[in-house]
Amino acid sequence: AQSVTQLGSHVSVSEGALVLLRCNYSSSVPPYLFWYVQYPNQGLQLLLKYTTGATLVKGINGFEAEFKKSETSFHLTKPSAHMSDAAEYFCASTYQKVTFGTGTKLQVIP
Amino acid sequence: GAGVSQSPSNKVTEKGKDVELRCDPISGHTALYWYRQSLGQGLEFLIYFQGNSAPDKSGLPSDRFSAERTGGSVSTLTIQRTQQEDSAVYLCASRQASVQSYEQYFGPGTRLTVT
Repeated sequence: AQSVTQLGSHVSVSEGALVLLRCNYSSSVPPYLFWYVQYPNQGLQLLLKYTTGATLVKGINGFEAEFKKSETSFHLTKPSAHMSDAAEYFCASTYQKVTFGTGTKLQVIP
Repeated sequence: GAGVSQSPSNKVTEKGKDVELRCDPISGHTALYWYRQSLGQGLEFLIYFQGNSAPDKSGLPSDRFSAERTGGSVSTLTIQRTQQEDSAVYLCASRQASVQSYEQYFGPGTRLTVT
């Protein structure tokens, strides 16, 4: 069975600081991996995805993530946090079925 | 084209009443999912429809929950005899099943409050 673990339900960073949101997956077969963002009172919006090919994936709003098979990780990063990045972020994996992590709320401190 | 839409956006109901939540997926998307998001929780999978196949109901928490999808498009999630613990945001998502990336497109959700 596949699972997704997001370390840290809440992460706080200062505006302009590096954002790092951690995601580890568990799957016997390398899955497709996704990061979604959810702004308050909205649905989830796809930030980026990894399917095949290049392991460093760039998404919207300056976010990127790197698929590391040896570490079974797909951490999300952004070099410089902006106030508008405050939201909840969900990592998800798919191999036949979609599995979501429990989410990480990102707070950006001015 | 239009994205996934859900109605109503907010629903307040009394304990014991039945409610129906509606989802209009993106045109041409054959796969449709329902999730529940409770306060402080992640996404809880409820049910999955794929074309004409039998739906995957493995996530429905009790027999008070049911869903149908008419004509392979609009879906309705029904909760009978609502309980306070049913209060949550119910999210619907659709995807184009022929696309191997499994990317889902989410609606804005229906916030259900059971008083």
